[in-house]
Formats: sequence, C-alpha cells, structure tokens
Amino acid sequence: AQSVTQLGSHVSVSEGALVLLRCNYSSSVPPYLFWYVQYPNQGLQLLLKYTSAATLVKGINGFEAEFKKSETSFHLTKPSAHMSDAAEYFCAVSDFRGGGADGLTFGKGTHLIIQP
Amino acid sequence: DAMVIQNPRYQVTQFGKPVTLSCSQTLNHNVMYWYQQKSSQAPKLLFHYYDKDFNNEADTPDNFQSRRPNTSFCFLDIRSPGLGDAAMYLCATSRDRPSHYEQYFGPGTRLTVT
Repeated sequence: AQSVTQLGSHVSVSEGALVLLRCNYSSSVPPYLFWYVQYPNQGLQLLLKYTSAATLVKGINGFEAEFKKSETSFHLTKPSAHMSDAAEYFCAVSDFRGGGADGLTFGKGTHLIIQP
Repeated sequence: DAMVIQNPRYQVTQFGKPVTLSCSQTLNHNVMYWYQQKSSQAPKLLFHYYDKDFNNEADTPDNFQSRRPNTSFCFLDIRSPGLGDAAMYLCATSRDRPSHYEQYFGPGTRLTVT
C-alpha cells in the first residue's frame, strides 16, 4: 500500500523567504505524486504533479517540486513566499489497484504560515 | 467554466436523520470520487465511480451510500448520521482511470450533525 508522510504540521516563514514543505512517500511501484493546496473552507487545488517524466516539476503560483527516488521524497519549494501562500498543503500519492480507477492517499497536511 | 459543483456548501442535519449531498460536474469526466475530511485531517477516500461502476473502500461504513444517475451527477447518502460523521465532504472528478490523471475537486460541503 502507498503512504505519504509530511514532516511538520505547521511551517512558518517570513514573506519573501524560501518555502520548503517536506513530503516522503512509500510505494511498491513507481508512484504518481501530487501537491494540492487548500484555502479555508474550500476544496483542493492542484499545484503540480509528478508522473514519471521530468523529476523537477513546475507548478502554479511559482511552486516546484523535485522527485528524488533515492530519498523517496517529493518536497515542495517556492523561492519567495507571498502572503497569499498561507494555506494548507497536502502531498498525495496515487493508489494503485491493478488497473482500477484509483483514489489518492493524502499526507496529513502542512499548514503554511507567512509572517509579514 | 468547466467545474465541479457541490450543493449545499453547508448542511446541518439531526442525529439519525438521513441526509444527501450532491455533486455535479461539467467536465464530462468518467470518474467521480467522494472524500471525507474531518477537522485538521487529510481527506479520506470513501468510494468512487468509474462511469457506472461503483467502487467502495474497504473501511467505508455501511452508513454511507452513493448514487450516480448519469455522468454529470453523483450523490452521497448518509443513512443515519452520527456525531462522528460531521466533516467536510469533498467531491472530485478525473478524466479517466489511470492514476496520473489529476483530480479536480469541488469546494466541499461542510456537514454538521446536531
């Protein structure tokens, strides 16, 4: 079974500083990995996804993530934080069921706080 | 704009009183999912439809049912809500089966059980 671990339930950075949100996965097969963002009382919005093409994936809003197989990691970064980045971020891995339509297994989420 | 719509956004029901949450999509996607997200927790998959084929997660309580009368609509029925069923319910769609197709989420319905 696939699983995702997000290190740090809360991360606080200053506006303009580097954002680094950590995600490690466990998967018995090559994974498909996703980062989603959730603003209060809203659904999830896809930031970016890794589907076995380029290991460095660029997403929306200036975010990117690098897939590192040797470290089983898919950390999310942004060079310069903006106040509007404050939100909950979820890392997710696709569940493989042998060809069926698969759901996502989410990490517990990281609440990103931006200090002015 | 093509989108995933959930109604209502907020639903209050009484303990044990059946409730139905609805989801519609204009994306013409084959797959529709229902997730349960409790406060400060990750979304948890309840079940999904691939076209008309229903797929239930092994640990989804029997209290939760779903219907998909056509491609556009999918319903979540909670037959006898308990206090522990209070949560945000998220509907999502994806174009097709393979896992690399991204899922598009609706805004969610927040269910309160009194």
